[in-house]
Amino acid sequence: NAGVTQTPKFRVLKTGQSMTLLCAQDMNHEYMYWYRQDPGMGLRLIHYSVGEGTTAKGEVPDGYNVSRLKKQNFLLGLESAAPSQTSVYFCASSSAGTTRETQYFGPGTRLLVL
Amino acid sequence: AQSVSQHNHHVILSEAASLELGCNYSYGGTVNLFWYVQYPGQHLQLLLKYFSGDPLVKGIKGFEAEFIKSKFSFNLRKPSVQWSDTAEYFCAVKWSNFGNEKLTFGTGTRLTIIP
Repeated sequence: NAGVTQTPKFRVLKTGQSMTLLCAQDMNHEYMYWYRQDPGMGLRLIHYSVGEGTTAKGEVPDGYNVSRLKKQNFLLGLESAAPSQTSVYFCASSSAGTTRETQYFGPGTRLLVL
Repeated sequence: AQSVSQHNHHVILSEAASLELGCNYSYGGTVNLFWYVQYPGQHLQLLLKYFSGDPLVKGIKGFEAEFIKSKFSFNLRKPSVQWSDTAEYFCAVKWSNFGNEKLTFGTGTRLTIIP
């Protein structure tokens, strides 16, 4: 099992450009999450999905969109990138929404917006 | 809003020293508690977790944490640290009353071990 994978690993964008980050998991997990990690702020939830075809807003959803067309994939889109979106983005998945399940994280995508 | 506090932003220790990293969370009913570790250049990995039962939880690599309900705390400990423990440590909480899909993270504690 590869677990949770993310592409790309690193990307540089200019302000106003768009891009899509891909997260894939091969653990048949129902729940998937996108976080951003910024110095001194820990991880903050952007959006999450409780199943194929469903998405929900997290703590900091503005400027991002997501889609979960297939159970194993969770895409994070930036329509018009801003320097404030420079961050490290982590995807995670978990097997159920019960309080007993833990999240498994991908390796991260480092995004720099100039 | 629910919150998780890690008051130690950067801790520097010598090898073989004992470690305790603080984690406090706001009141909100039943909680599940986690410590994650992020080694330099790597993704987050689960160190240990508490759901119920014995409040003293043992995790990987000799780490343990104690849940003290009256203090809303879940501090991480290790009796003797090694250089390889240099990493960033995140406490995380799930409040079952507020929807169990969301994990709230603390801001993290950077641990540097000096050989």
